[in-house]
Amino acid sequence: EAGVVQSPRYKIIEKKQPVAFWCNPISGHNTLYWYRQNLGQGPELLIRYENEEAVDDSQLPKDRFSAERLKGVDSTLKIQPAELGDSAVYLCASGEYSGSSTGELFFGEGSRLTVL
Amino acid sequence: GENVEQHPSTLSVQEGDSAVIKCTYSDSASNYFPWYKQELGKRPQLIIDIRSNVGEKKDQRIAVTLNKTAKHFSLHITETQPEDSAVYFCAHSGTYKYIFGTGTRLKVLA
Repeated sequence: EAGVVQSPRYKIIEKKQPVAFWCNPISGHNTLYWYRQNLGQGPELLIRYENEEAVDDSQLPKDRFSAERLKGVDSTLKIQPAELGDSAVYLCASGEYSGSSTGELFFGEGSRLTVL
Repeated sequence: GENVEQHPSTLSVQEGDSAVIKCTYSDSASNYFPWYKQELGKRPQLIIDIRSNVGEKKDQRIAVTLNKTAKHFSLHITETQPEDSAVYFCAHSGTYKYIFGTGTRLKVLA
């Protein structure tokens, strides 16, 4: 079975340009997460979906970041316009939520963004 | 109220010695406490987890202990090997949150 698939793996853009990341979670997983990981730090939650609903987007900088999960499967994360401080690895993860807690998260390889 | 403090940030041990990493959280609604290992340039992967109705769980050389009253949990690695060298992240999860610690870089010296 395929794991969580992310694309692109690497992206280099100039500041003020837009960028989009795509994630295909593990089939059957109802929760999907986007995290941002800066070098040497832990993953920081940006947004969490349960099926197609964003249940926690409190950490998403909504002035420039947007996300969607149409049909409760694939998801895209967009940044427009990108700033120098957005350089990081963007990790997508999926899991199964039972109604009271979430278990193991399965991460994709990540999308490494460099903003020049 | 959702963050988790993780200590130490770096840890060097001799091969064969034990390593202990500790995390403290504040969200009393958390009921799931996983530990992830991330090798350089790779994705985080679960190595062990514990739920709030259990105090300790062991899997070969790895163990996790949870003190829900004090709101802290720890990762114990015994008989460390060079391949244990990586960054380890604790996390805690409740109904909606899934929050990670800042990470501990473990170096096992041969």
